[in-house]
Amino acid sequence: DIQMTQSPSALSASVGDRVTITCHASQDITNYLNWYQQKPGKAPRLLIYDASNLEPGVPSRFSGSGSGTDFTFTISSLQPEDFATYFCQHYDNVPFTFGPGTKVGIK
Amino acid sequence: QVQLMQSVSEVRKPGASVKVSCKASGYTFTDFGISWIRQAPGQGLEWMGWISPYNGNANYAQKFQHRVTITTDTSTTTAYMELRSLRSDDTAVYYCARDVSSWGGRFDYWGQGTLVTVSS
Repeated sequence: DIQMTQSPSALSASVGDRVTITCHASQDITNYLNWYQQKPGKAPRLLIYDASNLEPGVPSRFSGSGSGTDFTFTISSLQPEDFATYFCQHYDNVPFTFGPGTKVGIK
Repeated sequence: QVQLMQSVSEVRKPGASVKVSCKASGYTFTDFGISWIRQAPGQGLEWMGWISPYNGNANYAQKFQHRVTITTDTSTTTAYMELRSLRSDDTAVYYCARDVSSWGGRFDYWGQGTLVTVSS
């Protein structure tokens, strides 16, 4: 199975800050990488697919980049509604696995 | 609008089975796959399996291969996930998700989740 790791596991930031999360795959997954946002008690929400494509309806302050084994997720200017946990997930082959998540909290 | 409506929470004893349903609406059911993903309390996300409602083909994570069955009923646009031989570590919220990748793995709409509690 492909292992996904994320860093940091948690961070504290202020509204307006630029936030960057990294995701590493244990083997080459080309660009088969998605990013999700999850708020407490809610289902995850797809934000970015194929490493860098913004899901329709998702604000443009969210972006993704990378290919192969190393990927980056960025929030350009953190908004109050962005405090949540973010997960990366590959779909290069089964089983599709998720990273452990990065909790973005309020500083 | 696309909606996935899941069945209510369940409580089961160890060794029992549970079957969770996921009613899809707002799109052509046979055009996209359905995946099931679970999340144990305070834990991360774990993909369990995928099915194509178009032809019934299913693909499971090896971890669950012998205990899970995913099916669909196209007449009612409903997907089902049955998990057998339940253990306490199967206690989790189980989500269905519309899967828009042709081979699975890209989940654009999610159900609200069904809490399954396994306890003696």
